[in-house]
Amino acid sequence: LAKTTQPISMDSYEGQEVNITCSHNNIATNDYITWYQQFPSQGPRFIIQGYKTKVTNEVASLFIPADRKSSTLSLPRVSLSDTAVYYCLVGDILITGGGNKLTFGTGTQLKVEL
Amino acid sequence: DAGITQSPRHKVTETGTPVTLRCHQTENHRYMYWYRQDPGHGLRLIHYSYGVKDTDKGEVSDGYSVSRSKTEDFLLTLESATSSQTSVYFCAIRLNRNTSYEQYFGPGTRLTVT
Repeated sequence: LAKTTQPISMDSYEGQEVNITCSHNNIATNDYITWYQQFPSQGPRFIIQGYKTKVTNEVASLFIPADRKSSTLSLPRVSLSDTAVYYCLVGDILITGGGNKLTFGTGTQLKVEL
Repeated sequence: DAGITQSPRHKVTETGTPVTLRCHQTENHRYMYWYRQDPGHGLRLIHYSYGVKDTDKGEVSDGYSVSRSKTEDFLLTLESATSSQTSVYFCAIRLNRNTSYEQYFGPGTRLTVT
């Protein structure tokens, strides 16, 4: 499983764009990149997933360069409610049976202030 | 929430006693997971299941066992609880899609071993 490295914490202000970068130097050919968000006392929530280039949904964008050794989660115009821990996961989503698992790291604590 | 419930939601038990946590889902998902979450460690995978009677170990499986006798229930058992197993336990399912690794998490069980 590819190891990921993220900043431990980030601070931002309401209305700003926040970019959280995840490093995954040993990503494998079949690995996908997935991001989750977690609020206190809740389980993580799926945000976005991608394989290469750019993926966008209603809440975030995911940028993946050509070498795929890193990825950046972009949150546009954050609000106080975006204060949470964000996890980057890398793994092969197509493995079935044994081996079908991804590893959560310690994540990035994002704090958004007024 | 993908129809995931966990029981009990809170439990206090004494060292050396057996404890069973239950994860129940109503949407016939094949993959189910048990994680624990502790301060400074993020989420760590304990065990997972890829079908009825098909289970495998995660990264922190020592001291835990699991069973899945039917699709909807995934049980986590602490045969002899220790204080180091005081934690918040999350159950998760993976959506039945080959092109996505979206997991949905239950509300969590807070276990205290005294």
